[in-house]
Amino acid sequence: GAVVSQHPSWVICKSGTSVKIECRSLDFQATTMFWYRQFPKQSLMLMATSNEGSKATYEQGVEKDKFLINHASLTLSTLTVTSAHPEDSSFYICSARGTGGAYQPQHFGDGTRLSIL
Amino acid sequence: AQTVTQSQPEMSVQEAETVTLSCTYDTSESDYYLFWYKQPPSRQMILVIRQEAYKQQNATENRFSVNFQKAAKSFSLKISDSQLGDAAMYFCASQGAQKLVFGQGTRLTINP
Repeated sequence: GAVVSQHPSWVICKSGTSVKIECRSLDFQATTMFWYRQFPKQSLMLMATSNEGSKATYEQGVEKDKFLINHASLTLSTLTVTSAHPEDSSFYICSARGTGGAYQPQHFGDGTRLSIL
Repeated sequence: AQTVTQSQPEMSVQEAETVTLSCTYDTSESDYYLFWYKQPPSRQMILVIRQEAYKQQNATENRFSVNFQKAAKSFSLKISDSQLGDAAMYFCASQGAQKLVFGQGTRLTINP
């Protein structure tokens, strides 16, 4: 149980385009979803937290107009990288937490490798 | 605020031996959970073990166990009978009421 599907797993696109990444909880309802960014050989850094039906809460230093997050249902959150540039190239990972409260483990998707040319 | 520190960037162990990965943390929250996650080359994040801070008993999951020293804010992971499949990055993490904070990670190599 507790499977999170993230799509696409790898995307390459030209500078200036927008890219959408989907994160789905397949067998549970995710009241809260999280988006992380991971640079090579580094740890995961939280970008934003989203609750279903609410606006996302962004961490300090994360541009909310650059990284648009939508959490329209209890099973789907999307991250859109708008007008992407090479410096946005990174590994993006989503996670989802069910209804058991703030201290329940987060279940992670397999990540998306984003390469901007 | 929460911080998590892993002071060992890399560790190696012989197959079938035991290895301990270190982690210290700091938090101002009274309620929190601690986790160890494994990230193999596929980059999938896999939950290895978790510890509720209010529990004194150390968590155990098969070959994986923790040594939780609350007063010292220490949370080490012991892997017994190391297997080749244990090779990965290991991240220690602290979960407060708001978010999960990760340490820098320890790369574990298993020597056959």
